[in-house]
Amino acid sequence: AQTVTQSQPEMSVQEAETVTLSCTYDTSESDYYLFWYKQPPSRQMILVIRQEAYKQQNATENRFSVNFQKAAKSFSLKISDSQLGDAAMYFCAYNVYQLIWGAGTKLIIKP
Amino acid sequence: NAGVTQTPKFQVLKTGQSMTLQCAQDMNHNSMYWYRQDPGMGLRLIYYSASEGTTDKGEVPNGYNVSRLNKREFSLRLESAAPSQTSVYFCASSEEGARGNTIYFGEGSWLTVV
Repeated sequence: AQTVTQSQPEMSVQEAETVTLSCTYDTSESDYYLFWYKQPPSRQMILVIRQEAYKQQNATENRFSVNFQKAAKSFSLKISDSQLGDAAMYFCAYNVYQLIWGAGTKLIIKP
Repeated sequence: NAGVTQTPKFQVLKTGQSMTLQCAQDMNHNSMYWYRQDPGMGLRLIYYSASEGTTDKGEVPNGYNVSRLNKREFSLRLESAAPSQTSVYFCASSEEGARGNTIYFGEGSWLTVV
């Protein structure tokens, strides 16, 4: 079965510092996509970053970057220069034919 | 720029009552989805519609029905609500199938069944 595991239910970071959120997945597929979504208190899911499995280069979007380790089936999200507005639930998701979601990590930003 | 709009945002139902959650998207997307989100869990797919006129079951379809009314609209119906269906429901859409494509979400509908 395809599964996505986020082992950190909650993380906290000081404003302006860097934090890394972990995600591992289990699959027998070789071609797939991975996503990080952010869910702020408003509850609306917002795409943060996307990675295609056949691309070795790690995706980057401004202060957000990923460390994609295909052999280890690991897909961590690094947030640099953390801001108060980054406080949210972060969900990792894996996709071949439909999205499989992790349980989420609550990120707290300390001012 | 509305994106994905779902109604109602909040609803309280009594066990056994029925209701329909409405969803519309204005991005001309072919694919639409209904998810539910329970505390401590990620989203779980209830039903999806790959294109107008087609619907398919997701991970947790029991107790729900859907209708893809046209390209814009995708409704979710609870025929006889149960307390286990208390959840936050999200409608979403994507240009084509979910594979590789960004999925855009509505703001969620909080449903409580008492």
